[in-house]
Amino acid sequence: AQSVTQPDIHITVSEGASLELRCNYSYGATPYLFWYVQSPGQGLQLLLKYFSGDTLVQGIKGFEAEFKRSQSSFNLRKPSVHWSDAAEYFCAVGPGTSGYNKLIFGAGTRLAVHP
Amino acid sequence: DVKVTQSSRYLVKRTGEKVFLECVQDMDHENMFWYRQDPGLGLRLIYFSYDVKMKEKGDIPEGYSVSREKKERFSLILESASTNQTSMYLCASGPIVSVTEQYFGPGTRLTVT
Repeated sequence: AQSVTQPDIHITVSEGASLELRCNYSYGATPYLFWYVQSPGQGLQLLLKYFSGDTLVQGIKGFEAEFKRSQSSFNLRKPSVHWSDAAEYFCAVGPGTSGYNKLIFGAGTRLAVHP
Repeated sequence: DVKVTQSSRYLVKRTGEKVFLECVQDMDHENMFWYRQDPGLGLRLIYFSYDVKMKEKGDIPEGYSVSREKKERFSLILESASTNQTSMYLCASGPIVSVTEQYFGPGTRLTVT
């Protein structure tokens, strides 16, 4: 079955520190992979996406993610975290087998940033 | 910029009431989606639609129905609200050409008492 696992429910980092959020997926073929961010009280905003090609993808707000097929992972990174990065982050994979345009989301990782 | 709007940010309803959640997008997208978001469970797809008057069940359609009479509008209906439907509801839209990004609205936090 297709699934997305985000092993860390909560992460706390200090402002200026580096960040890595983990995402592992189970999928029968090469997936499309996404990272979304949700600020408090807001909808989800796309940070970056991977379809094919270069396995290191750059996104908005200084984020990047690396697709590692051998590890079934798509971890999100940022070299220096800002207080405004505090939010919830969701990894997603698609398409779903029962719907061409479906995405499967992980449970999310909530990031707190200490000053 | 793509804009997806939802009719209410917060809604409080009583058990047994019929509830309508409205979603409108301005990008002429073919696909529209309704998710519910619960802590620890991420987003779960309730229904989606790839064309006017077309709908497909998602992963958790029980207790919900949808309506898409116009391309830009996708409604989620709770025929008889129950307390276990207290949740955050997110609408999204996207183009039909591929599984690209989905554009999300701000969400409606529904409380059923």
